[in-house]
Amino acid sequence: DAGVTQSPTHLIKTRGQHVTLRCSPISGHKSVSWYQQVLGQGPQFIFQYYEKEERGRGNFPDRFSARQFPNYSSELNVNALLLGDSALYLCASSLAGLGNEQFFGPGTRLTVL
Amino acid sequence: GDSVTQMEGPVTLSEEAFLTINCTYTATGYPSLFWYVQYPGEGLQLLLKATKADDKGSNKGFEATYRKETTSFHLEKGSVQVSDSAVYFCALRVNAGGTSYGKLTFGQGTILTVHP
Repeated sequence: DAGVTQSPTHLIKTRGQHVTLRCSPISGHKSVSWYQQVLGQGPQFIFQYYEKEERGRGNFPDRFSARQFPNYSSELNVNALLLGDSALYLCASSLAGLGNEQFFGPGTRLTVL
Repeated sequence: GDSVTQMEGPVTLSEEAFLTINCTYTATGYPSLFWYVQYPGEGLQLLLKATKADDKGSNKGFEATYRKETTSFHLEKGSVQVSDSAVYFCALRVNAGGTSYGKLTFGQGTILTVHP
């Protein structure tokens, strides 16, 4: 079975631009979470979606937004990019419910110049 | 708020040495505790977990015991291998509803390098 997939693998943008990152969860998983991992640090929680509704939001500015589609895939959007947005963006999926393990994708490496 | 603190790294060991990576936490609820491993160029993989006090999680020779009295979840392995070289993250998830639904809080990570 395929794991969590993310696209693109790498992305280079300039300050002020907009970016969309995509995530496909494991088949049957209905919950998707997004994390930002800055180089040398642990992942920071951005959003969690379950059944197309936002269920959790981390301490990130409104420039960050996300959505989940009927097939449970998800997009993370970041507007007005800043140099500090350069990071590895990780997507994780889980079946549902608080106790289910989150399975992580390989991430999208975003570089903002 | 919830937080996880890991020992300062990096850690460099010789093959077959004993490994300890310290992890302590602060949580407002009753957390589940996790260790994740990240190999170069890959995403995070769950290594082990413990969901209540005194539980011991174990996998691939790694162990960690949930110590509520010391708010700790130290990772140990009796004999490391070169293939264990990776970044290790301690994490918690508070078992409460509301907006923290499923949120993982991670430590800063510890880089482990094992030499032959």
